[in-house]
Amino acid sequence: DVVMTQSPLSLSATLGQPASISCRSSQGLVHSDGNTYLNWFHQRPGQSPRRLIYKVSERDSGVPDRFSGSGSGTDFTLTISRVEAEDVGVYYCMQGTRWPWTFGQGTKVQIK
Amino acid sequence: EVQLVESGGGLVQPGGSLRLSCAASGFTFSIYWMTWVRQAPGKGLESVAYITEGGSEIYYADSVKGRFSISRDDAKASLYLQMNNLRVEDTAVYYCSRGGGSGWGQGTLVTVSS
Repeated sequence: DVVMTQSPLSLSATLGQPASISCRSSQGLVHSDGNTYLNWFHQRPGQSPRRLIYKVSERDSGVPDRFSGSGSGTDFTLTISRVEAEDVGVYYCMQGTRWPWTFGQGTKVQIK
Repeated sequence: EVQLVESGGGLVQPGGSLRLSCAASGFTFSIYWMTWVRQAPGKGLESVAYITEGGSEIYYADSVKGRFSISRDDAKASLYLQMNNLRVEDTAVYYCSRGGGSGWGQGTLVTVSS
């Protein structure tokens, strides 16, 4: 299975300041169709996950533009340009290139 | 609006069975591949089973292979997960998810305990 490793596992962010989360895969994530299926999800306590980013850098509908994704190969990053209070929760990266799709351990974001 | 509503969870003894259902609305269910993802209490996310549109391809995580069975009924816009020979470690909230996570239900809790 592809192992997804996130860092940091915990992040204390400052309102209005940028924050970033790293995700590294144990294998390259380029699918045979040429796409890289690396997604980012946000989960608030007691809620279902919500996808923010798909295919490395495509933002889902309704997702604020302060969220952006980047990376290639085995190294990927989620960046929040200006952290807002509603951004607290746990963020997961997920690879959908090879079954079983695998998730990172999660990064818990709190406000400082 | 995409809506996915899971049902069928509950408390079951080890070795028992449950059938989860997921009712979809707000989108054309038949053209999407669907996934079951679970989350053990206080833990991360684990993909369990995946079925393509039309049901032509099905995949399972090794942890459930031979015990769980995923199916779909496009006429009813519904996804199912038949879970047999349940183990304590199957205890989790089970989510149905559209495609690569573009929509999620609220989840249904399965507790396996004696």
